[in-house]
Amino acid sequence: QVQLVQSAAEVKKPGASVKVSCKTYGYTLTNHHMHWVRQAPGQGPEWMAIINPSGDLTRYAQKFQGRATVTRDTSTSTVYMELSSLTSEDTALYYCVKDYTGKWTFDYWGQGTLVTVSS
Amino acid sequence: QSALTQPASVSGSPGQSITISCTGTSTDVGRYDYVSWYQQHPGKAPQLVIYGVTNRPSGVSNRFSGSKSGNTASLTISGLRPEDEAGYFCSSYTSSDTWVFGGGTKLTVL
Repeated sequence: QVQLVQSAAEVKKPGASVKVSCKTYGYTLTNHHMHWVRQAPGQGPEWMAIINPSGDLTRYAQKFQGRATVTRDTSTSTVYMELSSLTSEDTALYYCVKDYTGKWTFDYWGQGTLVTVSS
Repeated sequence: QSALTQPASVSGSPGQSITISCTGTSTDVGRYDYVSWYQQHPGKAPQLVIYGVTNRPSGVSNRFSGSKSGNTASLTISGLRPEDEAGYFCSSYTSSDTWVFGGGTKLTVL
């Protein structure tokens, strides 16, 4: 069955970068878009970015433009999200989320990766 | 893009029905039938319960139903069960070719 397995929690200092990985199982990565969504403590989720099935197109929410980069490695069926110039406001649970093709929504979520930004 | 507006909390007794609202604008909820609802138990990843305003994924109980009127979408859970106690949030596709989420609603089954 479909599984998205993310990397372990990270603690970073302000100004640093973090790269979160998402290894996919049970479906063909090159057939589906993948999203990244984050959820700060006690808040609703926030959509960050999307990468297309062929991996050559990405789109970012305006607030993450220039600071977030989504890539993928088809040889390992893994998608990555790197976020730079971290501040305390980036402390959140980061999820990779599989696109539900043709439905404009999300059907499978990773378990989440907690990124804590603290000096 | 501002977040969709949901009530912070709702509650109901076992067997009753509850409805959670999700208010957006004419550029998201009001423009597209691409509203979804997710259930999230503490410490767990969200699970899709409604997509396309009214559709249930395979395996989701028919006690969950969705609707939309204007800029407001709604999730109704009928025949409340203790296991329905969880967080619920909505999402919508937007005219900016992005997605927006609600702030989430905590459902308490009394």
